[in-house]
Amino acid sequence: RKEVEQDPGPFNVPEGATVAFNCTYSNSASQSFFWYRQDCRKEPKLLMSVYSSGNEDGRFTAQLNRASQYISLLIRDSKLSDSATYLCVVYTVSGTYKYIFGTGTRLKVLA
Amino acid sequence: DAGITQSPRHKVTETGTPVTLRCHQTENHRYMYWYRQDPGHGLRLIHYSYGVKDTDKGEVSDGYSVSRSKTEDFLLTLESATSSQTSVYFCAISEGDRTSYGYTFGSGTRLTVV
Repeated sequence: RKEVEQDPGPFNVPEGATVAFNCTYSNSASQSFFWYRQDCRKEPKLLMSVYSSGNEDGRFTAQLNRASQYISLLIRDSKLSDSATYLCVVYTVSGTYKYIFGTGTRLKVLA
Repeated sequence: DAGITQSPRHKVTETGTPVTLRCHQTENHRYMYWYRQDPGHGLRLIHYSYGVKDTDKGEVSDGYSVSRSKTEDFLLTLESATSSQTSVYFCAISEGDRTSYGYTFGSGTRLTVV
């Protein structure tokens, strides 16, 4: 089983739709969680950290469910510019530190 | 206003040749990382540095070495390039080892080994 798993997609949604991605992680000792955005042939960019209480940044909401070991990203009122791959990242300290990237979920917002 | 730059952006090299990729930062961050990104694998850590002359291996370090003689520069060397090292290489920096800061990535180097 991979340490961090994401549905690769693509998720094809119309403009204005709400879309949600999940990311599951295997190590219950994981401490920090993040979502990154990566445009085609570009570098990943930090989108938001994920806090235990959940957090929101404009149209984006991140949630953490420690009991079920997953994090989620909700995008409301999707824009064409939201089309990208969204990478889930999990930070775990277990002997050595590990900052583990998921393989990403691809989103395509359609006009 | 890029605080981190990578060079070269693209490179094609022959099997068996040594290759050095450079990462340069202007943020004075202590931590620097080299990752490779391949389809189906996500980003995988090659080596990282936590200070000048302080480096350590990541999960896919075989065939790679690094050096950090100055805070701002982190070099990745493929000692004898192989086709399996064809990949996109990203350098990243962070303010501290507490990754609540997140990482800032460079634009990447596309390396093709023929």
